[in-house]
Amino acid sequence: AQTVTQSQPEMSVQEAETVTLSCTYDTSESDYYLFWYKQPPSRQMILVIRQEAYKQQNATENRFSVNFQKAAKSFSLKISDSQLGDAAMYFCAYRSLVEYGNKLVFGAGTILRVKS
Amino acid sequence: DADVTQTPRNRITKTGKRIMLECSQTKGHDRMYWYRQDPGLGLRLIYYSFDVKDINKGEISDGYSVSRQAQAKFSLSLESAIPNQTALYFCATAGLAGANVLTFGAGSRLTVL
Repeated sequence: AQTVTQSQPEMSVQEAETVTLSCTYDTSESDYYLFWYKQPPSRQMILVIRQEAYKQQNATENRFSVNFQKAAKSFSLKISDSQLGDAAMYFCAYRSLVEYGNKLVFGAGTILRVKS
Repeated sequence: DADVTQTPRNRITKTGKRIMLECSQTKGHDRMYWYRQDPGLGLRLIYYSFDVKDINKGEISDGYSVSRQAQAKFSLSLESAIPNQTALYFCATAGLAGANVLTFGAGSRLTVL
C-alpha cells in the first residue's frame, strides 16, 4: 500500500516571503497523481495543485508551484509571496492509477502559519 | 448552494447512540467517499461507492456502515458510537474524467462523549 509522509508538523513564514512544504511518498507504481490540498480554519478542503507523474514539468498555479522529483519520490510545495490567507493546514495526497477506487491517500498534514 | 452538502455540521452525542451523517451532491458524480480526519493522522478512507449497487470498504471501516440511497446521496452510520470515533468527517465526490479530482463537503464534526 502507498504511504504519504509530511515530516513538518508546523511551518512559519513571514508575509511576502517564500516557504516550502515537504512531502515524500512510497509507491511501486509508475503512473499516479499527486495533490496538495489546503484546509483553512473554515475546514473546507481546497485543491491547490496537482501533478501527473508522467509529466516531467513541475505544475504551477499562480504563487503555488511544486518540485516533483519522481526518482526520489518527493513532491514539495512552494508558496511564493506568502499572504495571510495562506495560513492553513496543507495536505499532500497520492492517487493510484492502478488500484480500484481511485482513492486518495493523505499525509498527516502541515500547519502553515503566516506572520505579518 | 454547495456542490457537496453534509449534515449535520456539528454533532455531540453520547456513547452507544446511533448516529447518521448525510451527504448529498449536485455535481452528478458517480463516485462518493467518506473520509475521517484526526489530528496527526490526516484523512483516512472509511467507505467509497461508485454507484448505488457498489459499496466498498476503505482502510478504517470497522464500526461504520454506509448507504447509497441514490446517485446523489451517500450516508454514513455509526451504529453504536464510541469516544474514539470523535473526529471530523468528510464526504467527497469525483467524476469519471481526468484526474478524478475530489470535491469535498464542508465536513461534519462529531463528538462522542
